[in-house]
Amino acid sequence: DQQVKQNSPSLSVQEGRISILNCDYTNSMFDYFLWYKKYPAEGPTFLISISSIKDKNEDGRFTVFLNKSAKHLSLHIVPSQPGDSAVYFCAASARNYGGSQGNLIFGKGTKLSVKP
Amino acid sequence: DVKVTQSSRYLVKRTGEKVFLECVQDMDHENMFWYRQDPGLGLRLIYFSYDVKMKEKGDIPEGYSVSREKKERFSLILESASTNQTSMYLCASSSRTWGEAFFGQGTRLTVV
Repeated sequence: DQQVKQNSPSLSVQEGRISILNCDYTNSMFDYFLWYKKYPAEGPTFLISISSIKDKNEDGRFTVFLNKSAKHLSLHIVPSQPGDSAVYFCAASARNYGGSQGNLIFGKGTKLSVKP
Repeated sequence: DVKVTQSSRYLVKRTGEKVFLECVQDMDHENMFWYRQDPGLGLRLIYFSYDVKMKEKGDIPEGYSVSREKKERFSLILESASTNQTSMYLCASSSRTWGEAFFGQGTRLTVV
């Protein structure tokens, strides 16, 4: 059963507009959430993260929002640029009993296309 | 500059061959991971290791084994390659305490 879900396989946005990518999770033990960006034939690159003690984290054009009660997070990209076209993965992790960070559980990804 | 390096970008192997995928990180990270990425399935965890000689199965360990003899190196072994193991393989590492995982560039493995 999927613990991290990205229900939109693809998203198309016009250049300059806002891109909103969504992610839902089921495990209430997750306390750290990340977004990765992936181009074809390359490894994923880290974009932005948020811990469960926050509800928003911003880094330049990228903002991640966390709604713990809804078990939902979203990534906002403003303004969107053609170079943002890639697959975006949402990931989550929980601390284990020893307090160490556990492994990352990934969603299936959303392919973002930003049209000029 | 932090780095996770996978030994090969592209590999073609025959069915039944034993295949070794090597991964080295230079960040002194405790955690290391092997994922595979397939279209429509996202990144699925094969194995992870939280310390030297320690390993835990991920979601899809069947047909794979791993080795971690040194902290910086994590190897994925396909005991007898099969065509359904054709995939993109991704290695990653992370700190035990906090922070993101860093990925290698990936190995595109084709089993014929």
